Amino acid sequence: DAGITQSPRHKVTETGTPVTLRCHQTENHRYMYWYRQDPGHGLRLIHYSYGVKDTDKGEVSDGYSVSRSKTEDFLLTLESATSSQTSVYFCAISESGNGYGYTFGSGTRLTVV
Amino acid sequence: AQKVTQAQTEISVVEKEDVTLDCVYETRDTTYYLFWYKQPPSGELVFLIRRNSFDEQNEISGRYSWNFQKSTSSFNFTITASQVVDSAVYFCALSAANTGNQFYFGTGTSLTVIP
Repeated sequence: DAGITQSPRHKVTETGTPVTLRCHQTENHRYMYWYRQDPGHGLRLIHYSYGVKDTDKGEVSDGYSVSRSKTEDFLLTLESATSSQTSVYFCAISESGNGYGYTFGSGTRLTVV
Repeated sequence: AQKVTQAQTEISVVEKEDVTLDCVYETRDTTYYLFWYKQPPSGELVFLIRRNSFDEQNEISGRYSWNFQKSTSSFNFTITASQVVDSAVYFCALSAANTGNQFYFGTGTSLTVIP
């Protein structure tokens, strides 16, 4: 009954290669978010979506792009991965946008070598 | 600007001791929401509590309690009679209605409960 799944769970990639992380939800929630978690920084917002094809930038959006062509899927793309993008990435969904029912995925650990 | 400060980076307590995790926030919005999440060693984020800015009532849930004080912009979290299973990183977060409802997280407090 996860409601939100992230794939892959772990990935190792080389510097300069493109990488796409997927967030899939079965809750039909309007809002979807991508965060990254780094030691000493907590979680920081990369991009978020408030509807199909409606996205906006977060605090640390440089080097990342997103797409949402369907309600259930929110993709995060690193066009050319760098070592500074080694992190744990969390997707989150929210029904109303006021924080109620905010649910996080299990995270994707990305290592860029 | 929105900001959450968790000044305590790491805390260690002996089992059965009480422990309070501090959270101080900054926002100019009058409507906002405060949260606490637990992140155990397995890595997932576990929702603990949500509080809106118009409700300053303290809340108790079992061994957990939360003290929300707008006068000091604080939303502190107390664990009573701590247990080893409470060992985790705890995050305080803020969401404001006028900022796209994104979450602003503190840097987290790592709690270790020693048996």
